[in-house]
Amino acid sequence: GQGVEQPAKLMSVEGTFARVNCTYSTSGFNGLSWYQQREGQAPVFLSYVVLDGLKDSGHFSTFLSRSNGYSYLLLTELQIKDSASYLCAVRPSSSGSWQLIFGSGTQLTVMP
Amino acid sequence: NAGVIQTPRHKVTGKGQEATLWCEPISGHSAVFWYRQTIVQGLEFLTYFRNQAPIDDSGMPKERFSAQMPNQSHSTLKIQSTQPQDSAVYLCASSFQGIEVFFGKGTRLTVV
Repeated sequence: GQGVEQPAKLMSVEGTFARVNCTYSTSGFNGLSWYQQREGQAPVFLSYVVLDGLKDSGHFSTFLSRSNGYSYLLLTELQIKDSASYLCAVRPSSSGSWQLIFGSGTQLTVMP
Repeated sequence: NAGVIQTPRHKVTGKGQEATLWCEPISGHSAVFWYRQTIVQGLEFLTYFRNQAPIDDSGMPKERFSAQMPNQSHSTLKIQSTQPQDSAVYLCASSFQGIEVFFGKGTRLTVV
């Protein structure tokens, strides 16, 4: 079956970095997105990647390896406000659908 | 830009009653999605429309759930004969090209 997996929790320290991992197994692949979701709020789009390699967007960077079904979101210079759930989502579309399959999210806690 | 607007924000229904959830997508966005989110299952795709036409309803429980998009400015998700397991946050989202997806704040449905 199709699936997107993420670790449930991650802790890091303010001023350092955190890497949120995501592995996926889908029938097709048409891009991978990362979303941030704070408690009680809607998911907010962070990044989209479809090609292998590292995409640097400043505070957030995203890596993709399609052959390994693996991605990570790298947050640098962490701030307390980066504490949130980070969701990985794959567009598996072999049919042209824009459906996203989400992982369960990684709850990042940034400690002082 | 008010973003994706969902009403009501909270809804409580008795078991067996009908619930209708409303969504106003961002103006100019061609795609409208419905997802639901629970602690146990995470974010699950239900259905989506593109240019008001239903494209993919593979995530919809067929018997009691239905979605419509009668015009560009709103979509509805109707659940007939609600059951306790339907309790979830129902998220509507819209997108221009399917890459950056904007979510509404959701409707929290509680079936008692």
